[in-house]
Amino acid sequence: DQQVKQNSPSLSVQEGRISILNCDYTNSMFDYFLWYKKYPAEGPTFLISISSIKDKNEDGRFTVFLNKSAKHLSLHIVPSQPGDSAVYFCAATGYGGTSYGKLTFGQGTILTVHP
Amino acid sequence: DAGITQSPRHKVTETGTPVTLRCHQTENHRYMYWYRQDPGHGLRLIHYSYGVKDTDKGEVSDGYSVSRSKTEDFLLTLESATSSQTSVYFCAISPERISNQPQHFGDGTRLSIL
Repeated sequence: DQQVKQNSPSLSVQEGRISILNCDYTNSMFDYFLWYKKYPAEGPTFLISISSIKDKNEDGRFTVFLNKSAKHLSLHIVPSQPGDSAVYFCAATGYGGTSYGKLTFGQGTILTVHP
Repeated sequence: DAGITQSPRHKVTETGTPVTLRCHQTENHRYMYWYRQDPGHGLRLIHYSYGVKDTDKGEVSDGYSVSRSKTEDFLLTLESATSSQTSVYFCAISPERISNQPQHFGDGTRLSIL
């Protein structure tokens, strides 16, 4: 039962273009969402988050959009840079219930940005 | 990575042997977590701790035990390792369950069980 799904295993974009990574969730108790970035042989590093009271959060080149009715979120990277090439994980948790504070991760999307 | 250290970084062992992985933090954070990462599954929570001697199960806790006798150390033990426990294990820390300081991860331990 995959409660958080990233249906695209990989994404390839050209440097300077927009990268859009998608994530879907099924658990209606999730109300806080995060994106992590992971390089090989390193641990995941936090990128950006969004609470369910918002539909957009922006931090520099990174913007996360949340569509609660569709249970869908996306991460936009503009402009994409070769150094953005990594695995991106979507994660979700809730402020209450059994999921409180526990992160549930998607399978990850490998982003490759070509120079 | 600053603030969190996992040891060993790599380990190869045989089926049926006990294995203990260590997570050490210098941030004095209350919460500590153990995850495993496998292809097609992302990261899955094994166990977590919300204080010294306070632990709880995660999504994939069968075959694993944990202990936390000091704030800074969180140990993950495989009592009798099986090949299905071959994985990359990550420790994470956070000051609260949900805060403006999201879970911060160590660099992982690659465990191979033959």
